[in-house]
Amino acid sequence: NAGVTQTPKFQVLKTGQSMTLQCAQDMNHEYMSWYRQDPGMGLRLIHYSVGAGITDQGEVPNGYNVSRSTTEDFPLRLLSAAPSQTSVYFCASSYLPGRGSEKLFFGSGTQLSVL
Amino acid sequence: DAKTTQPNSMESNEEEPVHLPCNHSTISGTDYIHWYRQLPSQGPEYVIHGLTSNVNNRMASLAIAEDRKSSTLILHRATLRDAAVYYCIPRGKGNTPLVFGKGTRLSVIA
Repeated sequence: NAGVTQTPKFQVLKTGQSMTLQCAQDMNHEYMSWYRQDPGMGLRLIHYSVGAGITDQGEVPNGYNVSRSTTEDFPLRLLSAAPSQTSVYFCASSYLPGRGSEKLFFGSGTQLSVL
Repeated sequence: DAKTTQPNSMESNEEEPVHLPCNHSTISGTDYIHWYRQLPSQGPEYVIHGLTSNVNNRMASLAIAEDRKSSTLILHRATLRDAAVYYCIPRGKGNTPLVFGKGTRLSVIA
């Protein structure tokens, strides 16, 4: 079972460059989300989606775009990278939180450095 | 969203039981209580969840207070591999996303 797959694992960008962090899951989960984690900090929610064509903002959405064209994929786009976006990014998915008992599965993360 | 309060850090000796507390006094009556942990340099992983009754699985036990305003994650015999940050998170119905706090950093001493 692949679970939640994130690519790339590491990326270095220059300020102003754009890139897309990829996230794919093979568990047919409706709910997908992106978090960032700065050194020594907890996870902060960037964007989330409850199904294809539906996205919403989390705590720290500025500077990031998302779209959900399929159930499996939920890419995170940085349009113009800034040093403040240096962080570890985690993608997570679950079945739709109908009751609240649904477990969240995480990818292994993408470590992004913006110079 | 229900707020949670957890100690910043705890320490345990190897092979001793560990009780990790969490206060969630504003939890909704239908929110499940989830626990996740994050090992060093890894993504978070699910540990256990419950609603009202105490729960056991192969990783841990979850004791939920009768008034549901607090819960305790119990690791019966801590190992060095249990050293991680442990997060307590209420999760409700509908499309409310899972919001992580800062968690408790557990250190295990050999």
